[in-house]
Amino acid sequence: EIVLTQSPGTLSLSPGERATLSCRASQSVSSTYLAWYQHKPGQAPRLLIYGASSRATGIPDRFSGSGSGTDFTLTISRLEPEDFAVYYCEQYDDSLFTFGQGTRLEIK
Amino acid sequence: QVQLQESGPGLVKPSETLSLTCYVSGGSITNYYWAWIRQPPGKRLEWIGYIYYTGSPRYNPSLENRVTMSVDTTKNQFSLTLTSVTAADSAVYYCARGRRPYVGSSSFGSWGRGTLVTVSS
Repeated sequence: EIVLTQSPGTLSLSPGERATLSCRASQSVSSTYLAWYQHKPGQAPRLLIYGASSRATGIPDRFSGSGSGTDFTLTISRLEPEDFAVYYCEQYDDSLFTFGQGTRLEIK
Repeated sequence: QVQLQESGPGLVKPSETLSLTCYVSGGSITNYYWAWIRQPPGKRLEWIGYIYYTGSPRYNPSLENRVTMSVDTTKNQFSLTLTSVTAADSAVYYCARGRRPYVGSSSFGSWGRGTLVTVSS
């Protein structure tokens, strides 16, 4: 089973700043099967990025994904107030989906 | 836009069976894979399994001896049963749809808001 480790656990930033979130895998992950989600309390999780770098439908272009192998990054170029939430990475390998433990993005 | 809504009891006794249903609206249940995912308090999300609209479920090996999923295309809904539950099965349970039709390995494009299930006597 591939274990995903996200860092930092909590990221404190101000609106307008740039956010960089990391997701590291315990072994190589196919970029095809690496995704990022945003989750706000009481809401359904929202797919942001699939295939490591492709934005899902309706996702603003301030969100971008990159990386390959074992290291992946979600970047939010200029934080908007609505971007403060928990972010998860997810991967699929050998008929099993696993998730990272999440990064909480909070307002500084 | 498809919407998903989980439904089921919020409290289940230890050793009993947890049963949840996900109602799909705004789109057909056909052509997609449908998944259950849970998140115990303070822990990471855990994929439970998925099922295609015609059947053929695939489960997380850690749960497969206790899990059953099914689809009812006439009611546009799918279901989860988990037997012999313990406190470790207490979690928020989410239903979700695969992002791409016909593909089980794609990420999850639509989710429900989740339902909290507590296992306690």
